Amino acid sequence: GENVEQHPSTLSVQEGDSAVIKCTYSDSASNYFPWYKQELGKRPQLIIDIRSNVGEKKDQRIAVTLNKTAKHFSLHITETQPEDSAVYFCAAGNFGNEKLTFGTGTRLTIIP
Amino acid sequence: GAGVSQTPSNKVTEKGKYVELRCDPISGHTALYWYRQSLGQGPEFLIYFQGTGAADDSGLPNDRFFAVRPEGSVSTLKIQRTERGDSAVYLCASSGQGRYGYTFGSGTRLTVV
Repeated sequence: GENVEQHPSTLSVQEGDSAVIKCTYSDSASNYFPWYKQELGKRPQLIIDIRSNVGEKKDQRIAVTLNKTAKHFSLHITETQPEDSAVYFCAAGNFGNEKLTFGTGTRLTIIP
Repeated sequence: GAGVSQTPSNKVTEKGKYVELRCDPISGHTALYWYRQSLGQGPEFLIYFQGTGAADDSGLPNDRFFAVRPEGSVSTLKIQRTERGDSAVYLCASSGQGRYGYTFGSGTRLTVV
């Protein structure tokens, strides 16, 4: 089955700086890669996703890049703000079988 | 409804007891998923329904776990003979046909004592 590894497990960034979280996956059949943000005690919320037919996707301060050859994808947050503090999860799945395999999460702390 | 609703929000039960967790998906969403999230971990897939049938139940850890969705809307996750290791937050999510992104519910925090 699919295995997703996520790094780092914790990340502290000065407000205004950029944050990068990286994930690798094992199943070359995976073709869908979403990122979820989970604030303390709340539900995971989809913030951005990418399909394997593109290499990069951007939405305002958030971008995701995908390298299918190397089987890794990354989340980039620019101009970080205190409200970006949360746990971020990457996931991988195969369109048509909608099961997602999640990474273990990255606790992002933005230092004011 | 406006979002995915899960009840109860918290459940404390004694070891060996039976519990039912309920999920009410977004109206019209055909796909429904159950995940389990332990402290400090990512959600772990349990089962996925497309309509009334379980399309993939490969994540159910053992035969103490069972889920149903008899009318293609509300789903119930059933756990028999609960064990302390079953303690976790059980998350439900739904998605509409042709849409791949999930909407998660707020979860049920199950504590087995």
